[in-house]
Amino acid sequence: KQEVTQIPAALSVPEGENLVLNCSFTDSAIYNLQWFRQDPGKGLTSLLLIQSSQREQTSGRLNASLDKSSGRSTLYIAASQPGDSATYLCAVDGWGGSQGNLIFGKGTKLSVKP
Amino acid sequence: DGGITQSPKYLFRKEGQNVTLSCEQNLNHDAMYWYRQDPGQGLRLIYYSQIVNDFQKGDIAEGYSVSREKKESFPLTVTSAQKNPTAFYLCASSIAQGAGGELFFGEGSRLTVL
Repeated sequence: KQEVTQIPAALSVPEGENLVLNCSFTDSAIYNLQWFRQDPGKGLTSLLLIQSSQREQTSGRLNASLDKSSGRSTLYIAASQPGDSATYLCAVDGWGGSQGNLIFGKGTKLSVKP
Repeated sequence: DGGITQSPKYLFRKEGQNVTLSCEQNLNHDAMYWYRQDPGQGLRLIYYSQIVNDFQKGDIAEGYSVSREKKESFPLTVTSAQKNPTAFYLCASSIAQGAGGELFFGEGSRLTVL
């Protein structure tokens, strides 16, 4: 059964720092991997979607990479800002999941201090 | 604007009562999903629907029911049989289930049982 792990569970950094969030999954047979952001008490906002045939995706200060063979993805945030403070979740969609639906990690709670 | 609308945002229920959470999307998506989010447990899939008049149980369907009479609507009923219904409920949609498409979420409904 597919399992998704995110480490660390929480991270605190000073404003302006570049940072990396990690996501690992146990079954490499995936369609895609998606990164989300969740603010307290809110729904999830899609940040980046990486298809299984891709190695990375970029959007503004965000860059997500995917290494299927090792079961890992990273989300790189450049020049972090206090507004980046949120919980970041990764999820995989693939044969190893529940009927092909997304399997989520528990998230990394990021705090960017001014 | 296109998106997913969940209502109500907050809901209080007495034990033994059924409640229905609304989810409407105007994205013309075929697939819709209900997730439950509890602190420290991540998101868990309750039910999903690939097409009108069809739906499937997810990982934690016991005590819940759904219907999909219209493409844009996927209401969730939390029945009195659900033993621990207090949680944050998230509705989502995608172009098609299992097709590797991006998942979009509503803002969530927080249910509290008194």
